[in-house]
Amino acid sequence: EAQVTQNPRYLITVTGKKLTVTCSQNMNHEYMSWYRQDPGLGLRQIYYSMNVEVTDKGDVPEGYKVSRKEKRNFPLILESPSPNQTSLYFCASTPGWATSTDTQYFGPGTRLTVL
Amino acid sequence: GQQVMQIPQYQHVQEGEDFTTYCNSSTTLSNIQWYKQRPGGHPVFLIQLVKSGEVKKQKRLTFQFGEAKKNSSLHITATQTTDVGTYFCAGGSSASKIIFGSGTRLSIRP
Repeated sequence: EAQVTQNPRYLITVTGKKLTVTCSQNMNHEYMSWYRQDPGLGLRQIYYSMNVEVTDKGDVPEGYKVSRKEKRNFPLILESPSPNQTSLYFCASTPGWATSTDTQYFGPGTRLTVL
Repeated sequence: GQQVMQIPQYQHVQEGEDFTTYCNSSTTLSNIQWYKQRPGGHPVFLIQLVKSGEVKKQKRLTFQFGEAKKNSSLHITATQTTDVGTYFCAGGSSASKIIFGSGTRLSIRP
């Protein structure tokens, strides 16, 4: 089944404890991105990647890191999480690199709470 | 920077009533996409509009893209309980950039 998977789905952690949220897609998609969703703010892009080893900042990259060593995986890393990073996170992938004209397929989401 | 504003933030309707959500961009868009997110779920792609003045229909849903390619709307005729969720527009500003609106949450009284 074609899908985008994220792990974990729920995470409660404490300030400063490094964490990684994994994202994987099995559709051989070129473009992957991370979003955070907060009430009243919609979806804001954190980072995106147009291909392996190619990543770029989205609108809210501060406090986050990503890597794209393989086409299928795009982990999101929080080196030192803070409470303002408590949010619902979505990974998404797109067949081509032109995400603005391609359908984005979203993962199920990861709800992160930073105490 | 570029912004995509979406109104209203919430809409509560009686089942069978119509519903409309509007998106406005501060800049001209290359295209606009619409997504639906059910409560507790993830955004799911509904449709994409590319041409100025374009109108597309999906059963009871009608999508419009403005002549100036700076605004768009989604209209649902005769809402049903299955329409409950949050509807997002997402505007394409460049090939690799897409900006989401803040969403309109639709709730329905049976």
